[in-house]
Amino acid sequence: DSGVTQTPKHLITATGQRVTLRCSPRSGDLSVYWYQQSLDQGLQFLIQYYNGEERAKGNILERFSAQQFPDLHSELNLSSLELGDSALYFCASSPRQGGGTDTQYFGPGTRLTVL
Amino acid sequence: GENVEQHPSTLSVQEGDSAVIKCTYSDSASNYFPWYKQELGKRPQLIIDIRSNVGEKKDQRIAVTLNKTAKHFSLHITETQPEDSAVYFCAAKAAGNKLTFGGGTRVLVKP
Repeated sequence: DSGVTQTPKHLITATGQRVTLRCSPRSGDLSVYWYQQSLDQGLQFLIQYYNGEERAKGNILERFSAQQFPDLHSELNLSSLELGDSALYFCASSPRQGGGTDTQYFGPGTRLTVL
Repeated sequence: GENVEQHPSTLSVQEGDSAVIKCTYSDSASNYFPWYKQELGKRPQLIIDIRSNVGEKKDQRIAVTLNKTAKHFSLHITETQPEDSAVYFCAAKAAGNKLTFGGGTRVLVKP
């Protein structure tokens, strides 16, 4: 167990809908990262937040947004869902801003299925 | 930006043999190289990492080597066991915060 928690574990929804994924980092970690992993695909970095502020952005669609709250938990919002958004969404956390050798620890993931 | 290539994409080995996975990276500023193991439907788990000031690191049956000049690094698993079967991802981090992952290697250890 990495100490990173994610809810829900599974999510099934329809095209055009909006969902929110939640992540709680390890105790004391200030950075949260979101990744998307499609079937048989690698890990695609979406976005990073550090202590409430957006720190780095990857291949995140405009339909997706995220935020980190004062208690450091983070939410990833996915809207106008399409079939291609079906994937595993992982959250990871690290102690610091993420530079240098800051190690990232992954949560168990949320499996999103869009029908 | 950083680009990480990983080979092979699949690797089948006999139990007890060694497995080697290779990765190349493009950004010479990269200074941190972790390896993650992911079992089916589960989270990636860090198994070993190496910093750019070190050429080799070993942890029991797992070792990682780094060649900064050639910009490649490798994962070596010795005396493979069935529980080593999983997908392995390499990653590289340059200046900044983004960790770029390779495409993954599916390792199958046959008993």
